[in-house]
Amino acid sequence: QKEVEQNSGPLSVPEGAIASLNCTYSDRVSQSFFWYRQYSGKSPELIMSIYSNGDKEDGRFTAQLNKASQYVSLLIRDSQPSDSATYLCAVIDPRGGGADGLTFGKGTHLIIQP
Amino acid sequence: DTGVSQNPRHKITKRGQNVTFRCDPISEHNRLYWYRQTLGQGPEFLTYFQNEAQLEKSRLLSDRFSAERPKGSFSTLEIQRTEQGDSAMYLCASSLIGSEKLFFGSGTQLSVL
Repeated sequence: QKEVEQNSGPLSVPEGAIASLNCTYSDRVSQSFFWYRQYSGKSPELIMSIYSNGDKEDGRFTAQLNKASQYVSLLIRDSQPSDSATYLCAVIDPRGGGADGLTFGKGTHLIIQP
Repeated sequence: DTGVSQNPRHKITKRGQNVTFRCDPISEHNRLYWYRQTLGQGPEFLTYFQNEAQLEKSRLLSDRFSAERPKGSFSTLEIQRTEQGDSAMYLCASSLIGSEKLFFGSGTQLSVL
């Protein structure tokens, strides 16, 4: 059974600071990792994907992957109140050919304090 | 609007009734997924179609749940004899074959009284 673990929070960060969100996964075969943002009452929205060890930057967002430690993180620089949302970490098992879909963590609720 | 469309947005039903939800994926997407999300949890995978073929259905929660995608375009998810525990957000997502990026619809919020 694949598991994706996240601290549910809430994680409170002052506006302008760096928000750091963490995720661990149980299945070493997992190759693809995703961060989705979900506002309250809305559907998940893909914000980052990462496939290789190291960092991947996109605007204010940086995803970090360490396959040896089975750890993936998301950094949000210059946090804004509009970043307040639940951030879902998701992994996909390549052996399933897409049939398994994504396995999600429970999400971390992030609050950016003005 | 070229995103994933789900109808209805909200459904309130009495225990024991049948409900059906519809999903229209992004037009060129040939993969379609159904997920369920309860409060405080991440989305939970239910089933998956590639074109009209349902390639994974073992994760449907019980035999009261069924899904169809008759012409490889829109899909329906039916829950028979609803129970209060079925209350949740039902999300549909679509993607292209070969892409692992899923695009989600706005979901159908089901409340079983």
